[in-house]
Amino acid sequence: QKEVEQNSGPLSVPEGAIASLNCTYSDRGSQSFFWYRQYSGKSPELIMSIYSNGDKEDGRFTAQLNKASQYVSLLIRDSQPSDSATYLCAVNGATGGFKTIFGAGTRLFVKA
Amino acid sequence: GAGVSQSPRYKVAKRGQDVALRCDPISGHVSLFWYQQALGQGPEFLTYFQNEAQLDKSGLPSDRFFAERPEGSVSTLKIQRTQQEDSAVYLCASSLFNGPDRHSYEQYFGPGTRLTVT
Repeated sequence: QKEVEQNSGPLSVPEGAIASLNCTYSDRGSQSFFWYRQYSGKSPELIMSIYSNGDKEDGRFTAQLNKASQYVSLLIRDSQPSDSATYLCAVNGATGGFKTIFGAGTRLFVKA
Repeated sequence: GAGVSQSPRYKVAKRGQDVALRCDPISGHVSLFWYQQALGQGPEFLTYFQNEAQLDKSGLPSDRFFAERPEGSVSTLKIQRTQQEDSAVYLCASSLFNGPDRHSYEQYFGPGTRLTVT
């Protein structure tokens, strides 16, 4: 079992729709959770961080964390073609360390 | 302000050569991370520094890989006797790390160095 798992996709949604991206993690001691966006040929760019159970909203993005289910999600409302990228889920703080584990990423295509 | 910078951006090495990859973190950032990213995969953790101390090097794939950050700022990742399987993008990230403020743990990435071993 991978430590951080994501559907590889591709996930295809029409412009204006809600894109839902999911991530599960295996270490219950994990403390910090991040979503990064990575365009092809570019480096990861932080878009959301979440540390406690519940929802966190920032503009068109909402991150959701459920530690009991070891599940993190990212919702993108009013998806735009410019949102087309790979979205990486990252988890750290397990067992008190700073080692950060990334998922393999979900490719999102937003069709105009 | 200036972000994380890495050099060189591209490096081609013949198998068996040694390479050195440089990372300049954001000014004032305490923590520095190195990752290896293969095509189609997420970044794989290599090592982590807090100031000049290397606190975790569990991700370094072999003893050919060595990282240092002698003055707690610039870091160098060195790969000795490069092999074809070392071909990847090497990413550096830094974070402020301000004790209990969890937002200071957020990592910001440099543009990466693409290493090709022929």
